[in-house]
Amino acid sequence: DGGITQSPKYLFRKEGQNVTLSCEQNLNHDAMYWYRQDPGQGLRLIYYSQIVNDFQKGDIAEGYSVSREKKESFPLTVTSAQKNPTAFYLCASSMGSLNEQFFGPGTRLTVL
Amino acid sequence: GIQVEQSPPDLILQEGANSTLRCNFSDSVNNLQWFHQNPWGQLINLFYIPSGTKQNGRLSATTVATERYSLLYISSSQTTDSGVYFCAPGGDSSASKIIFGSGTRLSIRP
Repeated sequence: DGGITQSPKYLFRKEGQNVTLSCEQNLNHDAMYWYRQDPGQGLRLIYYSQIVNDFQKGDIAEGYSVSREKKESFPLTVTSAQKNPTAFYLCASSMGSLNEQFFGPGTRLTVL
Repeated sequence: GIQVEQSPPDLILQEGANSTLRCNFSDSVNNLQWFHQNPWGQLINLFYIPSGTKQNGRLSATTVATERYSLLYISSSQTTDSGVYFCAPGGDSSASKIIFGSGTRLSIRP
């Protein structure tokens, strides 16, 4: 099955710990994206990557880091510098930067 | 960047009713998507419609790019249509980005 997978579905961490969220796609898409969603709100862009080994900051990149070593994978690390990390995190991919984006099922992160 | 405004913010309808959701945006676009977010959080692609009109079953969408708005029509609503509908235009100087509105929360009563 072609698609985007995110793991884990739910994640609990203690305050001050870094945590890495996984995003994998087998759609052969060039571009990948990370968004954050807070309750009752729309999605906000954290980071995006248009090609392997290159990525750009989105609107709310502070406290997050990413890597793009493989076309299929775009992991997101939520660092201890992120002041309010509890949120729903969604990964997306598209064929190119102006093409339709498709989303994974999301990871709900709760920091205790 | 592009500003996005969706209306109404909330809509409650009886099963079988029709509805129109509106999305206004502040700048020219070359990319616009409509999504349905189900109760489990999954974003489902409805339309990729930077301009023109498209139809898919009971749903249709129209984007008038020159007037900076898009409309999503839902006919003969079903309870499974409940959820949040997002409009996401893009294509300003930061061409890789789409910007999400705050959504319209639709509740269909049986």
